[in-house]
Amino acid sequence: GPKVLQIPSHQIIDMGQMVTLNCDPVSNHLYFYWYKQILGQQMEFLVNFYNGKVMEKSKLFKDQFSVERPDGSYFTLKIQPTALEDSAVYFCASSSTGGMYTQYFGPGTRLLVL
Amino acid sequence: GDSVTQTEGLVTLTKGLPVMLNCTYQTTYSPFLFWYVQHLNEAPKLLLKSSTDNKRTEHQGFYATLHKSSSSFHLQKSSVQLSDSALYFCALIYGGSGNKLIFGTGTLLSVKP
Repeated sequence: GPKVLQIPSHQIIDMGQMVTLNCDPVSNHLYFYWYKQILGQQMEFLVNFYNGKVMEKSKLFKDQFSVERPDGSYFTLKIQPTALEDSAVYFCASSSTGGMYTQYFGPGTRLLVL
Repeated sequence: GDSVTQTEGLVTLTKGLPVMLNCTYQTTYSPFLFWYVQHLNEAPKLLLKSSTDNKRTEHQGFYATLHKSSSSFHLQKSSVQLSDSALYFCALIYGGSGNKLIFGTGTLLSVKP
């Protein structure tokens, strides 16, 4: 089936540094998402993105977070500066349309902030 | 607010037995429910989805029926296999916000020989 890729699979970083998580969505998809999963808890919605713009973001999407997809390349999540509580697995997803259509997930990036 | 509840954190079964994983939801909008399965270190993959009341949906031996009267979308299988061992998430997408998924806490299914 359709595959979403995420790079890197793991990242260890010192608190206060910047990190960029990369997502290569399904090629013809137009809607992109980031979800955050803290160990032992459920995945929680962070943000969705369409046509170059953030459509909706949750309260977890702090001011230090930003997303972009320049020129149809990777869909990125940048955290600057990082904090200890940003340690989590970040999942990227994409869908061909919005609304009720299936979101396809990547395998996640495991971020550890020290 | 809108939410999804999965009551079992861990279900352990012997191969060949039936299983039911519980999922109930709360929303004031018209719901669209999903089951995702996540094997260790892999991406969550869609298993089932439904927005039709009282209609059974099936895939890969798993089945579920959305019951709006009881706000439930329980996942079932008549005979589990070792390869079914994984984390199962129930999720809700609803018309209120567009297209964000609200996940339950997940149920880890462990199938023993």
